[in-house]
Amino acid sequence: KNEVEQSPQNLTAQEGEFITINCSYSVGISALHWLQQHPGGGIVSLFMLSSGKKKHGRLIATINIQEKHSSLHITASHPRDSAVYICAVPRILGGSTLGRLYFGRGTQLTVWP
Amino acid sequence: DAGVIQSPRHEVTEMGQEVTLRCKPISGHNSLFWYRQTMMRGLELLIYFNNNVPIDDSGMPEDRFSAKMPNASFSTLKIQPSEPRDSAVYFCASSLTGTGSWGTEAFFGQGTRLTVV
Repeated sequence: KNEVEQSPQNLTAQEGEFITINCSYSVGISALHWLQQHPGGGIVSLFMLSSGKKKHGRLIATINIQEKHSSLHITASHPRDSAVYICAVPRILGGSTLGRLYFGRGTQLTVWP
Repeated sequence: DAGVIQSPRHEVTEMGQEVTLRCKPISGHNSLFWYRQTMMRGLELLIYFNNNVPIDDSGMPEDRFSAKMPNASFSTLKIQPSEPRDSAVYFCASSLTGTGSWGTEAFFGQGTRLTVV
């Protein structure tokens, strides 16, 4: 079982729709990252959060540490939001944060005009 | 800052040849990561340096892969000899990691798309 699970794997939406991508993890973490990868391959960090909620424009990320779950929401989706969205966590082991990130397999989002 | 800089962006090489990928992390970042991305396995960590010292190389597939970080502003990932199954996108990322916490977010380079024929 992967330590980081994302759902759905693929998501198709019409422009303007509200999008939700989910991430669940099974390990102790200090923070969670949401990354975006556009066609052409570049990876951009969207959020790093350890509690509550963060908002950047039309993107909102929430995390529930007790439930080990995070969601990424996109309001008023647009075709330019089409990308792969990846959830990643650095593990805590023995009270220390390991430097490496563990990645979900990603959610391919396609937004049609 | 120009961000994490990787070179080359694309590399096509014949099986058996040596391949060297290069990375310049963001100035001031103390952690550097090499990742490999394939359709089958997604993103996988190959090796992680902290303050130029390799901390975790458990993801390096085999002895054909080696990585160095001679100073805080440069790292290389070398594959010798290369094989077709090494074809993938290789990402370098850097971050500022503090004791007991992840620190700031990770910043990724644009990646090097390697094709071994």
